[in-house]
Amino acid sequence: AQSVTQLGSHVSVSEGALVLLRCNYSSSVPPYLFWYVQYPNQGLQLLLKYTTGATLVKGINGFEAEFKKSETSFHLTKPSAHMSDAAEYFCAVNTNAGKSTFGDGTTLTVKP
Amino acid sequence: DTAVSQTPKYLVTQMGNDKSIKCEQNLGHDTMYWYKQDSKKFLKIMFSYNNKELIINETVPNRFSPKSPDKAHLNLHINSLELGDSAVYFCASSHEGGVLTYGYTFGSGTRLTVV
Repeated sequence: AQSVTQLGSHVSVSEGALVLLRCNYSSSVPPYLFWYVQYPNQGLQLLLKYTTGATLVKGINGFEAEFKKSETSFHLTKPSAHMSDAAEYFCAVNTNAGKSTFGDGTTLTVKP
Repeated sequence: DTAVSQTPKYLVTQMGNDKSIKCEQNLGHDTMYWYKQDSKKFLKIMFSYNNKELIINETVPNRFSPKSPDKAHLNLHINSLELGDSAVYFCASSHEGGVLTYGYTFGSGTRLTVV
């Protein structure tokens, strides 16, 4: 079985500050990990993914995430928040070919 | 040139009615999905089709019936709509096995409101 826990349903940062969105997973086999972003009234868009290889992965819009097996974590970061980053962020884990399991989401608010 | 398109974008209907949501993808993907996102933004898979064959059928009331006429289309028909069916329904697609390495491509969603 696989599961995802996103710590903090709401995160608020000031523009220009570091963004850190937390994701921990549970999986009995090596996981494939994803972050998606959902802007208001839109579908989910893939931000970045970890499959194999380098544990630090870079995605779109300046985001990156690091896979830490020992901590079963895949936290999402961005050095400097922009107003346009305000959105809902979902972490997902996939160990089966058929489907991903999503976390409950984290709402990111960026204050001017 | 939208990759995964859903229609309609908004759907308001009365309890007891039957409605359909259509989805089409032009990415050449083999597998298509329906996800439900509730008011708290929780995402839950409902169905998955691979090349017109049903491969995932989660615990969904049998009032919900997916239909895939070809691998580029996956429609969702809902009978006897209930208030609790109000949600945003997302269609998604991926290559067979590609959801592992490439993830999903999502449509923009259909907001269903049952009154």
